[in-house]
Amino acid sequence: QQPVQSPQAVILREGEDAVINCSSSKALYSVHWYRQKHGEAPVFLMILLKGGEQKGHEKISASFNEKKQQSSLYLTASQLSYSGTYFCGTAAGNMLTFGGGTRLMVKP
Amino acid sequence: DSGVTQTPKHLITATGQRVTLRCSPRSGDLSVYWYQQSLDQGLQFLIQYYNGEERAKGNILERFSAQQFPDLHSELNLSSLELGDSALYFCASSVAAGWETQYFGPGTRLLVL
Repeated sequence: QQPVQSPQAVILREGEDAVINCSSSKALYSVHWYRQKHGEAPVFLMILLKGGEQKGHEKISASFNEKKQQSSLYLTASQLSYSGTYFCGTAAGNMLTFGGGTRLMVKP
Repeated sequence: DSGVTQTPKHLITATGQRVTLRCSPRSGDLSVYWYQQSLDQGLQFLIQYYNGEERAKGNILERFSAQQFPDLHSELNLSSLELGDSALYFCASSVAAGWETQYFGPGTRLLVL
C-alpha cells in the first residue's frame, strides 16, 4: 500500500521552513527520501533505518518514528534550489513503495 | 550526472507493438531497478535485479519482462503495448541488493499512440 504524503503541495518564500510528512499503514524497515525536479530523474536525499535515527543533508533533515510508521522531512531556510517534488519511499519486505509526492515551490 | 545511462531517451510506438528499453548501471553497481512514472500513478517500482538474478518484484504487468546480463546492463521489454503504458521509465542502480541509495538514470519517455 502506498504511503501517504502531506501536504500535497506547499509554496514557500526563500528562507522559510517546511515539513513534509510520510505515513504508512505497514511496518517499515526503512524510509527513503528523493527529490525530483521537473523533467529530471529523482535524486536521492537520504535513507532512514529503523531506530528513529535523524539524518541530515545540508539544511535538510529527516526523522523516522517506527512506532508510528511515520517519517518527516524538514527543510530549513529554504533556497530556490529546493523547489521540486519530494517523494518518500517505504521499504517493507521486498517492495519499495513511493508516496504520491509533495510539490514544493520556493519563491524569491 | 548519476552515471546511469538509459537508451533511448524517447520512444514513440503504436498499440500492440513491443519495445525494449536499455539501462547501464553505474560502474561497480550490481543492482538494477526499474520504475514506471505516469501522471496518474506516480512512481511505481517494477522489478529489481541483482547480479543477474531477479531480486524483487513490484507492480510489473505480465506483458512486461526484464533481464540483467552478465555485463550487468539490463533490458526492460514491454509487449502488446496499450495507450496506458505511456509513461516515463526510469532505471536506477545501487551497489548491493538491499534497499539502499539508488542512483536514477535520465529515463526513457514512452509514448504509445
